Amino acid sequence: AQSVTQLDSQVPVFEEAPVELRCNYSSSVSVYLFWYVQYPNQGLQLLLKYLSGSTLVKGINGFEAEFNKSQTSFHLRKPSVHISDTAEYFCAVSDMNYGGATNKLIFGTGTLLAVQP
Amino acid sequence: DAGVTQSPTHLIKTRGQQVTLRCSPKSGHDTVSWYQQALGQGPQFIFQYYEEEERQRGNFPDRFSGHQFPNYSSELNVNALLLGDSALYLCASSLDLGSEAFFGQGTRLTVV
Repeated sequence: AQSVTQLDSQVPVFEEAPVELRCNYSSSVSVYLFWYVQYPNQGLQLLLKYLSGSTLVKGINGFEAEFNKSQTSFHLRKPSVHISDTAEYFCAVSDMNYGGATNKLIFGTGTLLAVQP
Repeated sequence: DAGVTQSPTHLIKTRGQQVTLRCSPKSGHDTVSWYQQALGQGPQFIFQYYEEEERQRGNFPDRFSGHQFPNYSSELNVNALLLGDSALYLCASSLDLGSEAFFGQGTRLTVV
């Protein structure tokens, strides 16, 4: 079984400052890794994904994440945030051995990124 | 492309009633998954449908059931509603063995 831990429930940051949202996972098998963003009263939008290859993954809206297998982490970073980045961010994993990357997703509890002017 | 569409967007039901939620997948997608997101929590996987069969199921009671139609659209049914079933229900569509799941806007269910 897999589990995902997002260590910070809220991250306040000033506009144009850098930010890192932390994600650790636990799994007995290899996993695919994802970051999703959820704006108020909306569904989830994929920011980026790690399937294989380079451990540094670049996504939409200037976000990137680095897969660290030894530390079982997949932290999300952005060098300079905007007010419009205020949203809930979810880290998720899926079992690589089950087939494609779109099988059952296990989500963390989310991190609220609150960007202040 | 309309993306993943869910209906209705909101509804209110009474304890003990039954509810049906609907999902139309993104054009060309053949796999539909359902998730429950309680307030302040991450989404929890309910089940996944492929080729009109339930392929995977999460840790939800039998009161939660589903169906996939030949056009790949899907329904989620919940019987004997409890107050704890109040949540945002998300539908995600994808290609079988694909690399990305696309989510709809969700249906906000309130049980009173």
